[in-house]
Amino acid sequence: EPEVTQTPSHQVTQMGQEVILRCVPISNHLYFYWYRQILGQKVEFLVSFYNNEISEKSEIFDDQFSVERPDGSNFTLKIRSTKLEDSAMYFCASSETRTAFATNEKLFFGSGTQLSVL
Amino acid sequence: AQSVTQLGSHVSVSEGALVLLRCNYSSSVPPYLFWYVQYPNQGLQLLLKYTTGATLVKGINGFEAEFKKSETSFHLTKPSAHMSDAAEYFCAVSDDIRDDKIIFGKGTRLHILP
Repeated sequence: EPEVTQTPSHQVTQMGQEVILRCVPISNHLYFYWYRQILGQKVEFLVSFYNNEISEKSEIFDDQFSVERPDGSNFTLKIRSTKLEDSAMYFCASSETRTAFATNEKLFFGSGTQLSVL
Repeated sequence: AQSVTQLGSHVSVSEGALVLLRCNYSSSVPPYLFWYVQYPNQGLQLLLKYTTGATLVKGINGFEAEFKKSETSFHLTKPSAHMSDAAEYFCAVSDDIRDDKIIFGKGTRLHILP
């Protein structure tokens, strides 16, 4: 089965540093997402992206966050100045169509990047 | 706003026993409901989902879930647990097809005892 790949699997950074988390969605997918999971808490929606622009974002996704699809294959999440509370597992996901909720559609998740901010 | 509550952060069952993972949801409109599984060092994988139609939904690996509107529940079951079922299970909801986001529960870690 095709898969979403994320790199790196673990990222350690100092508070205040910029980090870029990378994702390669499934090749024919058009809708891309970032979610995160702080240890012991829920998986939380961050942002969705379609047609080279953000289609929806959560309250978590403030000005410190940005997303980009720099070429035809990568989808990145940038945190400009990391804070301790940004430490979490970050999941990238993609789907083929607009809605992930149609009967035969599903969201494909990557295995995540564990970000540790020191 | 929609939300899900998963009862029990850890559940242990013996191999061969019934698996029951509980999920209750809150939604102002008919919901779309999901169960995802996360095996160690892997991403979230869709087990099954309910959108419309039959309330008993069958998924992969022998799991099924039943949508009960009167109880606002979507519990996940499997008749006979296997060691390979040990993983974290997430219930999730979305109630707006215009909405991109899925709201997840906190997850339940399923332990299988030999």
